Amino acid sequence: GAVVSQHPSWVICKSGTSVKIECRSLDFQATTMFWYRQFPKQSLMLMATSNEGSKATYEQGVEKDKFLINHASLTLSTLTVTSAHPEDSSFYICSALTEVTLLGYTFGSGTRLTVV
Amino acid sequence: GNSVTQMEGPVTLSEEAFLTINCTYTATGYPSLFWYVQYPGEGLQLLLKATKADDKGSNKGFEATYRKETTSFHLEKGSVQVSDSAVYFCALSDQYQAGTALIFGKGTTLSVSS
Repeated sequence: GAVVSQHPSWVICKSGTSVKIECRSLDFQATTMFWYRQFPKQSLMLMATSNEGSKATYEQGVEKDKFLINHASLTLSTLTVTSAHPEDSSFYICSALTEVTLLGYTFGSGTRLTVV
Repeated sequence: GNSVTQMEGPVTLSEEAFLTINCTYTATGYPSLFWYVQYPGEGLQLLLKATKADDKGSNKGFEATYRKETTSFHLEKGSVQVSDSAVYFCALSDQYQAGTALIFGKGTTLSVSS
């Protein structure tokens, strides 16, 4: 089946530094990738939708200059948290849309970001 | 707008007990409905889905029936195991905007003890 590989699975960084999270579709082409953020014991909040070769669409309240999303190829999408602060600490999950007609959504395993 | 409401957790059960996790939705038209499971420290795994009214999704002993009349998609399992302990999310996909992101409920934590 479709697999999305997300790396790193966890990362600790200092305040003010940037962190890049990668999601790769291993055996299919992901034209659309969704990025979610999950706070402890809460649901997934959609941050942005990215389509290959075009700019990402951000949800209201999400700072596009802080959360940079790049989807330059059909198998790779990245989320870069720039100038990270402790309040950015969270669990980030990507999801690729595999088949629109059959509603195939495949999720990465998530990245636990801790900013100290 | 579209939304999903799940019962508040945590749900604590003994092994072999019957499980029900309620999920209701608000949406225009006929959305597709999903249940996802998240084990500690991991991403989400699709548990089951249903794409039209009266469809029943099933997997690993879990079942859910798409009820249009009550706008519900309750998750059930006849006999839970300790390994079922996880967080369960109900979600929907907008019928009129194919290919858009799933909308999730807040999740329900299930804890099963032996």
